[in-house]
Amino acid sequence: ILNVEQSPQSLHVQEGDSTNFTCSFPSSNFYALHWYRWETAKSPEALFVMTLNGDEKKKGRISATLNTKEGYSYLYIKGSQPEDSATYLCAHKSNFGNEKLTFGTGTRLTIIP
Amino acid sequence: DTEVTQTPKHLVMGMTNKKSLKCEQHMGHRAMYWYKQKAKKPPELMFVYSYEKLSINESVPSRFSPECPNSSLLNLHLHALQPEDSALYLCASSQDAFNYGYTFGSGTRLTVV
Repeated sequence: ILNVEQSPQSLHVQEGDSTNFTCSFPSSNFYALHWYRWETAKSPEALFVMTLNGDEKKKGRISATLNTKEGYSYLYIKGSQPEDSATYLCAHKSNFGNEKLTFGTGTRLTIIP
Repeated sequence: DTEVTQTPKHLVMGMTNKKSLKCEQHMGHRAMYWYKQKAKKPPELMFVYSYEKLSINESVPSRFSPECPNSSLLNLHLHALQPEDSALYLCASSQDAFNYGYTFGSGTRLTVV
């Protein structure tokens, strides 16, 4: 993996269901992985900053895991609510130029009431 | 104050115009960023300022000129833009350029005619 890739591009989930999506990034020279939520007509909002292999972080019903050796992170949403509808962006920093945060194209999540 | 404020929210400019985008934060953050986002693409880094010094310029054309007059303010001066420069311009800040999540503004939607 040379770039930051996210899958799926878009996702429709029934309210109350749980869901997850993936961020893949270059595994060499890893420094940090960020997750952001971007609701329409609002600013992107930081969810997690993850730096350690095996790290798990949680914020309410949202959690994330990190595997730096294989270059992927999962974002999980438990019991989806309409307010979870947003684009979820992951972003990667490497040790070479660790001031630079490179974003993936995002996963657009729509919760169906 | 936990916000990044960007002005204007919308800007239409001709190819011979000179205009400026403004970004302000009062969180004491020492790193500030300009990103450009075109539709269905990830935000792309343009510039990083760290402690009021330009630390990254991602080979941005000289018709975009950043300025950081003080630790709270970041400007982007625009001159002789092209229609393909039409995009959403996002400003962000963080406590430092390495270890913290970003706080984003809501962006300036720029149209070059």
